[in-house]
Amino acid sequence: GENVEQHPSTLSVQEGDSAVIKCTYSDSASNYFPWYKQELGKRPQLIIDIRSNVGEKKDQRIAVTLNKTAKHFSLHITETQPEDSAVYFCAADTSGTYKYIFGTGTRLKVLA
Amino acid sequence: SAVISQKPSRDICQRGTSLTIQCQVDSQVTMMFWYRQQPGQSLTLIATANQGSEATYESGFVIDKFPISRPNLTFSTLTVSNMSPEDSSIYLCSVGGSPPGTDTQYFGPGTRLTVL
Repeated sequence: GENVEQHPSTLSVQEGDSAVIKCTYSDSASNYFPWYKQELGKRPQLIIDIRSNVGEKKDQRIAVTLNKTAKHFSLHITETQPEDSAVYFCAADTSGTYKYIFGTGTRLKVLA
Repeated sequence: SAVISQKPSRDICQRGTSLTIQCQVDSQVTMMFWYRQQPGQSLTLIATANQGSEATYESGFVIDKFPISRPNLTFSTLTVSNMSPEDSSIYLCSVGGSPPGTDTQYFGPGTRLTVL
């Protein structure tokens, strides 16, 4: 079946450094790629998304890049802050439906 | 985005019993989904709740275990039936297609279920 791989599973960075999380998807029909941040005990919150007709999107310290040929997309967080510490999930829609397949998650720790 | 609520927020249940979780949205939405998130794990889609018809279940999930209702465009329920400790998890509803044609999903706060 279709799947989304996410790496790394854990990531520790010093405050102010950048963090990069990478995902690979298998369904060539996927067109929509959201990223969610989930703090402990909270619901997943959408932080940024990208569609297949766009190669890069940026929102302040957060950016997402997409390489549709390679079926890769990545989340970039610059100037990390302690409040960025959370679990981040990538996802891809499946075969043009509204359903998502989620990656396995990355636990990001920003060390003060 | 829509305001999504779930009830109960948490519960502790005995094995063999059933629990019904409610998901309420403050506006009409096209799509409603139910996910399970086991401790420390990712989100797994259980089913798509279809308004006025039977839910569409993902592989590994069956209607007898997880009956779902969706009587209108703002409300859905998920029942976890004949529970065992393996059902201990967080159950989340999500909504999408609001406004129509958009594919972003937004999540409810979740229901933390513990089965003893």
